[in-house]
Amino acid sequence: EAGVTQFPSHSVIEKGQTVTLRCDPISGHDNLYWYRRVMGKEIKFLLHFVKESKQDESGMPNNRFLAERTGGTYSTLKVQPAELEDSGVYFCASSQRASGAYNEQFFGPGTRLTVL
Amino acid sequence: DAKTTQPPSMDCAEGRAANLPCNHSTISGNEYVYWYRQIHSQGPQYIIHGLKNNETNEMASLIITEDRKSSTLILPHATLRDTAVYYCIVRVGSNAGNMLTFGGGTRLMVKP
Repeated sequence: EAGVTQFPSHSVIEKGQTVTLRCDPISGHDNLYWYRRVMGKEIKFLLHFVKESKQDESGMPNNRFLAERTGGTYSTLKVQPAELEDSGVYFCASSQRASGAYNEQFFGPGTRLTVL
Repeated sequence: DAKTTQPPSMDCAEGRAANLPCNHSTISGNEYVYWYRQIHSQGPQYIIHGLKNNETNEMASLIITEDRKSSTLILPHATLRDTAVYYCIVRVGSNAGNMLTFGGGTRLMVKP
């Protein structure tokens, strides 16, 4: 079974440019999460999808960040325009339907974003 | 979610047991203790979780004190591949519908 995949693995852009990160969750997982670790800080939650709906977007830092999950499959996270402080590693995670016993979150390898 | 306190770093000899402590003195009755780890250049990985009983799986054991104010993750025979940052997370409920709140974790270095 394929795990959570993220693309690209690395992205280097200049301040003011736009970048789109993609996450493909494990097939059949309804829950999809985005997290990020910016330089020297802890891993922080950004948002949570249940299928195509945003369940919780309380961690999104500002309106330069836009996440979508059309059709409830893969998700994209767009940063427009990117700022220096957006540099860090962006993780995606997925889990099965949230009912019954604990369904662990499976994380992807992350996308390392560098804004120059 | 309850705050957790972990030592920033620990060393362990290869083949020995690694015992990673976590304090969660403000834990509520409906909050579970979860452990995840992050090996360098990878995403976090689930290890184990528990409410009040001790738990064991193929990766580790989780010992929770009777008052639930602290817990210990035990890797019975640490290998070099267990070198990672280990996160103790406390949160409500056992289903997957809630976000994870990561703290600073404990950086475990397994040495030959």
